[in-house]
Amino acid sequence: AQTVTQSQPEMSVQEAETVTLSCTYDTSESDYYLFWYKQPPSRQMILVIRQEAYKQQNATENRFSVNFQKAAKSFSLKISDSQLGDAAMYFCAYRAAGGTSYGKLTFGQGTILTVHP
Amino acid sequence: EPEVTQTPSHQVTQMGQEVILRCVPISNHLYFYWYRQILGQKVEFLVSFYNNEISEKSEIFDDQFSVERPDGSNFTLKIRSTKLEDSAMYFCASSGLGGYGYTFGSGTRLTVV
Repeated sequence: AQTVTQSQPEMSVQEAETVTLSCTYDTSESDYYLFWYKQPPSRQMILVIRQEAYKQQNATENRFSVNFQKAAKSFSLKISDSQLGDAAMYFCAYRAAGGTSYGKLTFGQGTILTVHP
Repeated sequence: EPEVTQTPSHQVTQMGQEVILRCVPISNHLYFYWYRQILGQKVEFLVSFYNNEISEKSEIFDDQFSVERPDGSNFTLKIRSTKLEDSAMYFCASSGLGGYGYTFGSGTRLTVV
């Protein structure tokens, strides 16, 4: 079974600084997708960024970028120029690209990010 | 931008009562999901639904749970006899072919008293 591990329960960053959130996963699949979701106090699940495992290039979305290391099964999220609105719970998630578990997202435990002004 | 709509946003129910949580997925999506998040914990997969049948379910999704797509637009989660430990946020999600456009609803907060 696939597992996703976020080893940092909490992280903090100063406004305008850069922070990196860690995520590791375990799978025997060769093709899959990885995601970072943001969950603000409203508890809505907001997609931050997505990475396809077959792509070697790391995904970027404005201030958000990932460091995808397939061999190490590592998928970290870097937030540059942190803003107060980035404060939230962040979840790493895995989804198989095919097979019987197609579509199911497996989430990590989450990392609470605090942004200090 | 298309949305997944969930109703109600908050429901309080007595232990032992049946509840139905409702979701309207994005209209051209084919795959539908329910997830649960107990307060302060991670989001857990409950069930996926495709072509009018369950395609996968977790160990959490026992005989007390059922899903239905009664009219081609709504997607419902029924809990037959609620327990205190069913108190959680329940998220509906939908996706298109290839998992394209995987979108979550804003959730229903279920409180069992």
